[in-house]
Amino acid sequence: EVKLVESGGALVQPGRSLRLSCTTSGFNFDDFAMHWVRQVPGKGLQWVSGIDFDGGSVAYAHFVRGRFAISRDNAKRTLYLQLNGLTAEDTAFYFCAKDILVGATRLSPSFDSWGQGTLVAVS
Amino acid sequence: SSELTQDPAVSVALGQTVKITCQGDSLRSNFAAWYQQRPGQAPLLVMYGQNNRGPGIPDRISGYFSGNTASLTIAGAQAGDESDYYCASRDITGSLVVFGGGTRLTV
Repeated sequence: EVKLVESGGALVQPGRSLRLSCTTSGFNFDDFAMHWVRQVPGKGLQWVSGIDFDGGSVAYAHFVRGRFAISRDNAKRTLYLQLNGLTAEDTAFYFCAKDILVGATRLSPSFDSWGQGTLVAVS
Repeated sequence: SSELTQDPAVSVALGQTVKITCQGDSLRSNFAAWYQQRPGQAPLLVMYGQNNRGPGIPDRISGYFSGNTASLTIAGAQAGDESDYYCASRDITGSLVVFGGGTRLTV
């Protein structure tokens, strides 16, 4: 069974930093690209960032503006998202999600497994 | 603003067929994926690629592409289909991923 578990969400003051983690099991982590998607409570889904299977290629949504950094540790089967310079507009649930394509170097919009999310509140 | 446009809300009578659409220039060269999200739950992949169903998705749900529009058709709508539905695709550069604003389906 594929499992993705996010952690690291917290209530923080504007301008502060957080590091989110996504620990995984049940699949060959180093075969798949991974993503972060966020959702303001009551609002729509917003893709944040993605990283290919070996970490050689990363991409960010335009709103990130250099503040966030995605990374992965394949030995630990863990995905990370470093959040810097947080603002109230970053308040949201942050989900990690597994890309459906095996060994792809190009990110796809198809995520076949999701975690339950971790809440980042900036106030 | 989203590069993919969805109707905010659609309704369908029980047992009838409904189509949910997603429009965007990037769809002329990129496939869409569709997600179902119930309140308080993580999204569930419904359709992806060239009309492939996600794991466990019944064949009464299908996808279609034409020009700059992707559509998700649900036949024989059931109460359990009542959810928010989101489309996603690559952006016009092909490098990033974007979501549509979502459609709330009422059955």
